[in-house]
Amino acid sequence: SAVISQKPSRDICQRGTSLTIQCQVDSQVTMMFWYRQQPGQSLTLIATANQGSEATYESGFVIDKFPISRPNLTFSTLTVSNMSPEDSSIYLCSVVKEGTEAFFGQGTRLTVV
Amino acid sequence: AQSVTQPDIHITVSEGASLELRCNYSYGATPYLFWYVQSPGQGLQLLLKYFSGDTLVQGIKGFEAEFKRSQSSFNLRKPSVHWSDAAEYFCAVALDSNYQLIWGAGTKLIIKP
Repeated sequence: SAVISQKPSRDICQRGTSLTIQCQVDSQVTMMFWYRQQPGQSLTLIATANQGSEATYESGFVIDKFPISRPNLTFSTLTVSNMSPEDSSIYLCSVVKEGTEAFFGQGTRLTVV
Repeated sequence: AQSVTQPDIHITVSEGASLELRCNYSYGATPYLFWYVQSPGQGLQLLLKYFSGDTLVQGIKGFEAEFKRSQSSFNLRKPSVHWSDAAEYFCAVALDSNYQLIWGAGTKLIIKP
């Protein structure tokens, strides 16, 4: 299994500001992903965090808005930049370890006011 | 494009009654199939998964799911629900072992006493 620590668990932010979310795993993992879950909706993949290189973004998500870092095999950050109320969502970190299954952090509940 | 359909937004069942949650996917080949549960304030927990082999898979908490290739379906079942099963249930697929998940819209399960 994999134990994921995601911080912060929740935050209320002013529009126009940025928030960086951290995802720390207790062991090395092969894949790390970031998802968004908008209120009352399902999950949407934002990007794959690649170790030592630029993240791979899904359609509709861009690096300028959601810069991602992954400096090593156990840690990644997602920044939500220049926030607007439409960015209010739960952001989830997901990891895959040795092709077993996908594990999820508890999520970061973001409210933009 | 690949998609996952959960046709029931809400389902209400009485405690002790049987349950079936529907899931259909659209993809040319057989993807990896998953059911996750998300309880209020909790993270996502994997209930079960199907990769290949026996089309009836057993999961945690007394859940099972049956893969039917001819119907492109992966329905989740439980013979007798408990009040603690009240949660949101998500069907998801992955096209390969990278586990980039495509999610259904979710089904909210409500248990009547």
